[in-house]
Amino acid sequence: DIQMTQSPSSLSASVGDRVTITCRASQRISSYLNWYHQKPGKAPELLIYAASSLQSGVPSRFSGSGSGTDFTLTISSLQPEDFATYYCQQTYSTPLTFGGGTKVEIK
Amino acid sequence: QVTLKESGPALVKPTQTLTLTCTLSGFSLSTTGMRVSWIRQPPGKALEWLARIDWDDDKFYRTSLKTRLTISKDTSKNQVVLTMTNMDPVDTATYYCARMHSSGSHSYFDLWGRGTLVTVSS
Repeated sequence: DIQMTQSPSSLSASVGDRVTITCRASQRISSYLNWYHQKPGKAPELLIYAASSLQSGVPSRFSGSGSGTDFTLTISSLQPEDFATYYCQQTYSTPLTFGGGTKVEIK
Repeated sequence: QVTLKESGPALVKPTQTLTLTCTLSGFSLSTTGMRVSWIRQPPGKALEWLARIDWDDDKFYRTSLKTRLTISKDTSKNQVVLTMTNMDPVDTATYYCARMHSSGSHSYFDLWGRGTLVTVSS
């Protein structure tokens, strides 16, 4: 199975900050990497697919990059509604796997 | 309206079998390319993908739970059913079903149900 490792597991940031979350795959997965965020009590929502493609309706302050084993999600200017937990997910092969999550909290 | 809705027992006893149903609305699992997965999330923990069933009845399972899981579909009812045997308190989680959309060679979960909390306790 492909293991997905996210870092950091949590971070504190202020509104307006630039935030970067990383995700590393245990083997090369090309660009088969998606990013989701999840707010408490809610289902996850897709932000980025295919490593760098912005899902329709998602604000442009979100961006993704990377290929192979190392990937990055960047929020260019953190907004109050962005405080949530972020997950990466690989779809290179089954079984599909998620990262352990990164909780973004208010500083 | 395009939705998925999970249903099933809120409480099961250890060793019992859990049966969850995902009802699809606004789209059909019989459509070529359609795929539906089950994903769970223990309280305060990360997402765990469990299983997937495709329009052509291909099935895939989480390696560590493969012997306990069965996923199936009822096309006439537009439902996907997940059964998990020998339930244990560590299986306490919110269980989600989600639709997997394909864009070219890439796929992603574009639609999720609201989830159903299952507690395993005697």
